[in-house]
Amino acid sequence: GAGVSQSPSNKVTEKGKDVELRCDPISGHTALYWYRQRLGQGLEFLIYFQGNSAPDKSGLPSDRFSAERTGESVSTLTIQRTQQEDSAVYLCASSLPGGAGGELFFGEGSRLTVL
Amino acid sequence: RKEVEQDPGPFNVPEGATVAFNCTYSNSASQSFFWYRQDCRKEPKLLMSVYSSGNEDGRFTAQLNRASQYISLLIRDSKLSDSATYLCVVNTPTSGTYKYIFGTGTRLKVLA
Repeated sequence: GAGVSQSPSNKVTEKGKDVELRCDPISGHTALYWYRQRLGQGLEFLIYFQGNSAPDKSGLPSDRFSAERTGESVSTLTIQRTQQEDSAVYLCASSLPGGAGGELFFGEGSRLTVL
Repeated sequence: RKEVEQDPGPFNVPEGATVAFNCTYSNSASQSFFWYRQDCRKEPKLLMSVYSSGNEDGRFTAQLNRASQYISLLIRDSKLSDSATYLCVVNTPTSGTYKYIFGTGTRLKVLA
């Protein structure tokens, strides 16, 4: 497809389980971002990839969160031992080579509910 | 202090009204500025970039004041379809890269 694709669109899991969220950016977009949005809240920056490297991981809330990107394409965000406070929509965005001024294109998000 | 601050609203305005939102940012080295629109339970989408000289796109006007570190968005002749959350976004250099920082958004409801 032409846009940013995320999967799963909805995930319900039990506390303590691991989850993996996937993002497929727009072809040719080397910059990729993950954000978290809790209900009624703003977007919280998690991590930024330029190519396959992550120059900025400052937003990852704890060591239970990790992300990787391969082939300058697909990225996965992994949350280990999920907690109820991890419930949120996880949004992925991509843009042309990272730098000032590029438009961010967002996927529709993965809605995570931790019971 | 948050890096990007916005009044959360909600702003409830009648159709046809003019409404303005402001946003302030803390990092004077910020390079680029944007307004995004987010509809309920949808992903954000770019509304317009904000240029130093100010810019207009139809009923929407964006302005940047670097000295005071604020950005504004003016919507004229509001339509019901303008009801959404408006996100102020600032692109800021950090650790040799750039990071897009989002404000928490201002909710607008246009009433018939």
